[in-house]
Amino acid sequence: DAKTTQPTSMDCAEGRAANLPCNHSTISGNEYVYWYRQIHSQGPQYIIHGLKNNETNEMASLIITEDRKSSTLILPHATLRDTAVYYCIVRPNFGNEKLTFGTGTRLTIIP
Amino acid sequence: GAVVSQHPSRVICKSGTSVKIECRSLDFQATTMFWYRQFPKKSLMLMATSNEGSKATYEQGVEKDKFLINHASLTLSTLTVTSAHPEDSSFYICSAGDRGGLEETQYFGPGTRLLVL
Repeated sequence: DAKTTQPTSMDCAEGRAANLPCNHSTISGNEYVYWYRQIHSQGPQYIIHGLKNNETNEMASLIITEDRKSSTLILPHATLRDTAVYYCIVRPNFGNEKLTFGTGTRLTIIP
Repeated sequence: GAVVSQHPSRVICKSGTSVKIECRSLDFQATTMFWYRQFPKKSLMLMATSNEGSKATYEQGVEKDKFLINHASLTLSTLTVTSAHPEDSSFYICSAGDRGGLEETQYFGPGTRLLVL
């Protein structure tokens, strides 16, 4: 079973920051927060992951609350190509642990 | 990030035939690869974990004799759908773990769309 809760859908205006929330209140101490996105008819694309510190890369920023029970993925300047389903997944970051996908958030970027 | 390829990208076959799908990690070695299936408007469902040099581990409800998995090398895993039927039509996606130091990130292939007539 997925251990995260995300809104079903969100809209964001092109050029604005898209903030996608995720609740993971039962996260364990050894579990990381991963974000992937899936554009229609493609395989999921890795975006970012983190344990407890905020993370930033060329695609996005990940803000994790101090209690680690929730996080927010931020796409700083959304473009139409960011329209996709975004999945927040918690998973231990060692060994060969599988990823369990929930229903994700369908993000639509509005021109 | 690391690159994972799949071949073919799409395949149409007749009912009763077998179809093989290849998953390759192009610039890293993967001891473990995963196979997922996705039906329209649904999320990805894990089918099996493919381990190099050993038998695959199947999720509950997935028939191991129907979905044959072979992980012959650290860069190649294959999924063979045997005696395919129309209900096997789906989007099949593989992933592979790239271990950088102590961390491992799963990267996904582009998927294979199977249509069984």
